[in-house]
Amino acid sequence: KQEVTQIPAALSVPEGENLVLNCSFTDSAIYNLQWFRQDPGKGLTSLLLIQSSQREQTSGRLNASLDKSSGRSTLYIAASQPGDSATYLCAVRPGSGGGADGLTFGKGTHLIIQP
Amino acid sequence: DGGITQSPKYLFRKEGQNVTLSCEQNLNHDAMYWYRQDPGQGLRLIYYSQIVNDFQKGDIAEGYSVSREKKESFPLTVTSAQKNPTAFYLCASRTTTERSNQPQHFGDGTRLSIL
Repeated sequence: KQEVTQIPAALSVPEGENLVLNCSFTDSAIYNLQWFRQDPGKGLTSLLLIQSSQREQTSGRLNASLDKSSGRSTLYIAASQPGDSATYLCAVRPGSGGGADGLTFGKGTHLIIQP
Repeated sequence: DGGITQSPKYLFRKEGQNVTLSCEQNLNHDAMYWYRQDPGQGLRLIYYSQIVNDFQKGDIAEGYSVSREKKESFPLTVTSAQKNPTAFYLCASRTTTERSNQPQHFGDGTRLSIL
């Protein structure tokens, strides 16, 4: 059964720092990997989606990489801002057959950017 | 604006009572999903539907039921058989025209509590 782990569970850094969030998964047979942001009491906002054939995706100050064979992804946030404070979730879509659908999520990294 | 609407935002259930959570989308997406989120936990898949009049159990379907009579709507009923229903419930959808590279979009969630 697929398991997704995110490290660290929580992170607090001063504004302006570059930072890296880590995600690992146990089954490399995935279709894609998605990074989300969740603000307190809110739903999820999709940040980046990396297809299984891709190595990285970029959007503004965010860059996500994928090493499918080793079961790892990182989310890099450049020049962090207080507005980046949120919980960041990593999720993978199964690539195995049988029609299974739905995402498997990690528990998230709770990020606080200090002004 | 296109999006996913979940209602109500807050819901209270008495012991032994069934309650239904609403999820409506106007994104013309074929697939819809229900997830449950507990504090400090990642999201877990309850049910999903890839097409009207068809749905499949996810990882934690016991005590829940769904229907998919219309493409736009995917209501979730939390039955009295669900012994620990207090959680944050999130609905999602995605297009299935190209399976591997389409992100899931999420609603703002319904918080269910037991009286």
